[in-house]
Amino acid sequence: EAGVAQSPRYKIIEKRQSVAFWCNPISGHATLYWYQQILGQGPKLLIQFQNNGVVDDSQLPKDRFSAERLKGVDSTLKIQPAKLEDSAVYLCASSSSGVYGYTFGSGTRLTVV
Amino acid sequence: AQSVAQPEDQVNVAEGNPLTVKCTYSVSGNPYLFWYVQYPNRGLQFLLKYITGDNLVKGSYGFEAEFNKSQTSFHLKKPSALVSDSALYFCAVRDNDMRFGAGTRLTVKP
Repeated sequence: EAGVAQSPRYKIIEKRQSVAFWCNPISGHATLYWYQQILGQGPKLLIQFQNNGVVDDSQLPKDRFSAERLKGVDSTLKIQPAKLEDSAVYLCASSSSGVYGYTFGSGTRLTVV
Repeated sequence: AQSVAQPEDQVNVAEGNPLTVKCTYSVSGNPYLFWYVQYPNRGLQFLLKYITGDNLVKGSYGFEAEFNKSQTSFHLKKPSALVSDSALYFCAVRDNDMRFGAGTRLTVKP
């Protein structure tokens, strides 16, 4: 079974620039999550999709962050404009129905300078 | 809302000794508890979960965790640590979504 794919692995941008991350979940997994992991902290949920609908985006800074999951498969997370405090690893995860653990991608490490 | 706490930022053990990484949780209703491990520059890898049943849960790489309802704890354990177990460990609780603790860095010294 292929895992959760994320790209790019690393990204360095200047503040006020924009950036986009891509995620391809495990085939058949209806639920997709984006997490932000700041160095030294646990992952924090940004947004949860069920198929192509948003279930929870209460912790997404909507003034600068946006995410979409067109067709209920791939997802894109965008930051525009980026701030220094957005430097973090952005993790994508997917899960099937039921109470199971999530499968995480390797993440995208974003550095804002 | 559900939450977990990992009271130790760092745990150091000698190779061959038993290890424990602590986790306490707060949740309304039945707890669905998980442990994940994160190696440098890697995503989180699932270790084990408690949904229901036996309080002692066995997982990957020889790890196990003990669910204690009265103490609201879900400590991760391994009888004999390996240097390769050195990593960042996260406890998590799932309700509508997964909430993670701050993580515990385990260092196993030869």
